[in-house]
Amino acid sequence: GQSLEQPSEVTAVEGAIVQINCTYQTSGFYGLSWYQQHDGGAPTFLSYNALDGLEETGRFSSFLSRSDSYGYLLLQELQMKDSASYFCAVRDSWGKLQFGAGTQVVVTP
Amino acid sequence: DTGVSQNPRHKITKRGQNVTFRCDPISEHNRLYWYRQTLGQGPEFLTYFQNEAQLEKSRLLSDRFSAERPKGSFSTLEIQRTEQGDSAMYLCASSPARGGETEAFFGQGTRLTVV
Repeated sequence: GQSLEQPSEVTAVEGAIVQINCTYQTSGFYGLSWYQQHDGGAPTFLSYNALDGLEETGRFSSFLSRSDSYGYLLLQELQMKDSASYFCAVRDSWGKLQFGAGTQVVVTP
Repeated sequence: DTGVSQNPRHKITKRGQNVTFRCDPISEHNRLYWYRQTLGQGPEFLTYFQNEAQLEKSRLLSDRFSAERPKGSFSTLEIQRTEQGDSAMYLCASSPARGGETEAFFGQGTRLTVV
């Protein structure tokens, strides 16, 4: 079957670094996307990897290893506003997304 | 560019009633997707359109659900004979038709509560 696994919750203090791992088992893989969602809000695109390696976008970076069916999102210099749910999602060639269950990131002072 | 717009934002309905949601994608975005999200879960794919053509429907989309995009612009999602299990956030997203490498932009969603 198709599935994505990511931790359910991560807690860290302001200024820290957090890594959210994602493993996937799916067909029709085109790339791995990461989305952020605040309570009551829309999912917001953060990063995308189609090829192996690291993509850096400001404080957020994402990594992909296609051979290991594994990726991670790295959040650096954590801020209180980063408290949200983070989803990894496998993207197919039509842009359709299959999401994991999400990781709740709690940032404490 | 006003982003993806969804209406209504909230809908409370009695079991057995029909409901219809509307999604206005970002202009000139050819692809439009519908997802459903329940509390504590990630969005689940329901269906998507390339212009006015509905290209794929998830098995989650029972025969009580129907989606249309008649002119390749806005889309509607109708649920007939609603059930309590239909209570969820219904999300719409759009993207340009440039293969799988472009990001999808999500609307704020319509939260449906079936009582």
